[in-house]
Amino acid sequence: DTAVSQTPKYLVTQMGNDKSIKCEQNLGHDTMYWYKQDSKKFLKIMFSYNNKELIINETVPNRFSPKSPDKAHLNLHINSLELGDSAVYFCASSPNRGVGGANVLTFGAGSRLTVL
Amino acid sequence: GENVEQHPSTLSVQEGDSAVIKCTYSDSASNYFPWYKQELGKRPQLIIDIRSNVGEKKDQRIAVTLNKTAKHFSLHITETQPEDSAVYFCALGGGTSYGKLTFGQGTILTVHP
Repeated sequence: DTAVSQTPKYLVTQMGNDKSIKCEQNLGHDTMYWYKQDSKKFLKIMFSYNNKELIINETVPNRFSPKSPDKAHLNLHINSLELGDSAVYFCASSPNRGVGGANVLTFGAGSRLTVL
Repeated sequence: GENVEQHPSTLSVQEGDSAVIKCTYSDSASNYFPWYKQELGKRPQLIIDIRSNVGEKKDQRIAVTLNKTAKHFSLHITETQPEDSAVYFCALGGGTSYGKLTFGQGTILTVHP
């Protein structure tokens, strides 16, 4: 059983389109994240949800809209895609939000988005 | 706020040699210091972590050392093998990075047979 699964694995689309990436975790974790990994491999957090509540929004353009229908799911919708959105998007989860303590992250396999 | 610098950006060693990657940080309230390994085309995976009440932790060929006074921590890999080739990321948790991990820029480690 895959602990953190995200779909699709690959996504190729034209500039201006709207696309979504879905993520699900079966670990019973309370907190889920979206990270973006650019072509230089830099991993940067975008959003974090704790039990369906948005707790981190890291100056991401409002074309990106996360949604968490329940604590096991976190989806990412992107409007009006731009060339610079091309990256690998990783979903991750952790047992808790790390208040004063550890944030052990389990990552999904990644979704490679290519905007043409 | 939180900031973490990782060096070197690339590291090339011969099989059997040791490899050391260092990270420095600015937020003295940080209290969790993990290292992740990312193989080509794969997800980052936790390989070892240390908390602020411990100075060193070992797990077989890998070890992490932490110097809270100087605000740096390092990953040590001994007896490197070709399968150790990957991108390694340090990260910071806790303190003012509440609720998230902030990652270093990554180190591409290549182990030549």
